[in-house]
Amino acid sequence: EDKVVQSPLSLVVHEGDTVTLNCSYEVTNFRSLLWYKQEKKAPTFLFMLTSSGIEKKSGRLSSILDKKELFSILNITATQTGDSAIYLCAVDNAGNMLTFGGGTRLMVKP
Amino acid sequence: DVKVTQSSRYLVKRTGEKVFLECVQDMDHENMFWYRQDPGLGLRLIYFSYDVKMKEKGDIPEGYSVSREKKERFSLILESASTNQTSMYLCASSSTGRPLSGANVLTFGAGSRLTVL
Repeated sequence: EDKVVQSPLSLVVHEGDTVTLNCSYEVTNFRSLLWYKQEKKAPTFLFMLTSSGIEKKSGRLSSILDKKELFSILNITATQTGDSAIYLCAVDNAGNMLTFGGGTRLMVKP
Repeated sequence: DVKVTQSSRYLVKRTGEKVFLECVQDMDHENMFWYRQDPGLGLRLIYFSYDVKMKEKGDIPEGYSVSREKKERFSLILESASTNQTSMYLCASSSTGRPLSGANVLTFGAGSRLTVL
């Protein structure tokens, strides 16, 4: 059975801090790993990772995949209150389906 | 700019009632999905559909059914709602193809929060 585990479950930081969110997985037929940000409603897509060691970056957010150790991290530098959200990690197992982790709830205090 | 629309943001129903949750996408996506989201459990797949009139069970299909009569519309049905179906329901769609083309990236609707009393 495919499994995606995210840690920590929740995180409270102050503005300006740097955070690292973790996602480990066990899936058959791995094809890609995706990160989503969910604020009050629909999750929005952040990154898709398919190859090990290649960092994807968007502003203060970056992510990298390690296919040997079966994990990914999402880094957010210089956090802002607008980064407060649930961050979801999902893995595509080449079956047109995604398996989601439980999410990390990030709260950034002013 | 709304691409996946869920008909109801908030619903309150009584135990035993039949509940319909509607989802429409305007991106011509082949694949559509229904998830439920509960604290600490993440998103769990209820049903998905690859094509019109096709449906596949996800991880937690018990107590639910779906209908896909048109490509753009995917409905989730709770035949007899129960209190343990109180949850946030998220609809999503994706295209089929190679990951680097953007396929299989889910686009979500805003969610429907269902409370069953």
